[in-house]
Amino acid sequence: ILNVEQSPQSLHVQEGDSTNFTCSFPSSNFYALHWYRWETAKSPEALFVMTLNGDEKKKGRISATLNTKEGYSYLYIKGSQPEDSATYLCAPRNAGNMLTFGGGTRLMVKP
Amino acid sequence: DTGVSQDPRHKITKRGQNVTFRCDPISEHNRLYWYRQTLGQGPEFLTYFQNEAQLEKSRLLSDRFSAERPKGSFSTLEIQRTEQGDSAMYLCASSLASRGGYGYTFGSGTRLTVV
Repeated sequence: ILNVEQSPQSLHVQEGDSTNFTCSFPSSNFYALHWYRWETAKSPEALFVMTLNGDEKKKGRISATLNTKEGYSYLYIKGSQPEDSATYLCAPRNAGNMLTFGGGTRLMVKP
Repeated sequence: DTGVSQDPRHKITKRGQNVTFRCDPISEHNRLYWYRQTLGQGPEFLTYFQNEAQLEKSRLLSDRFSAERPKGSFSTLEIQRTEQGDSAMYLCASSLASRGGYGYTFGSGTRLTVV
């Protein structure tokens, strides 16, 4: 069982603030790192899939970076909006195509 | 195709009763996964199928849990003699094995409350 840690567990920010979260994972047997966004009462939505050390991905105001050598990924949100409120999950994928999820970071953006 | 659907969305049951949940994956996806999520935790892997074959089962899955995917399409997860500790969100996801790089598509989950 992989040990995948996300920090912080929860975060309250004001609308317009920029924020970032961390996902750390074992660097051995690594194939890819997935980020999901999970809004209440909805299904988790795929944000990014990253595979290479140094990968950077961007989707609107959200971006992510990957360091496979040291086993961490950062997710950044620029100018947070209330609609960004959700739980953000990271999950490394192994050779068997299995995802192991971290505990998530719960973001709440106040208007 | 409307994505992955799960039924029911919510289930309240008395301790000791049996419950069954259903998952309909995306039709062309050959892999189907069951996860369980409790408050404050991320989704924990329970089991997965490739077509109709159950390929892996977590140690979290006690003998009271059983999952089937009889024709390689929809799947059911049954919990017998439910306990309060079974209260959780049960998530189903599907993927195409050959396109693992695209991750999973999740359903909205079934929230189980055991009283």
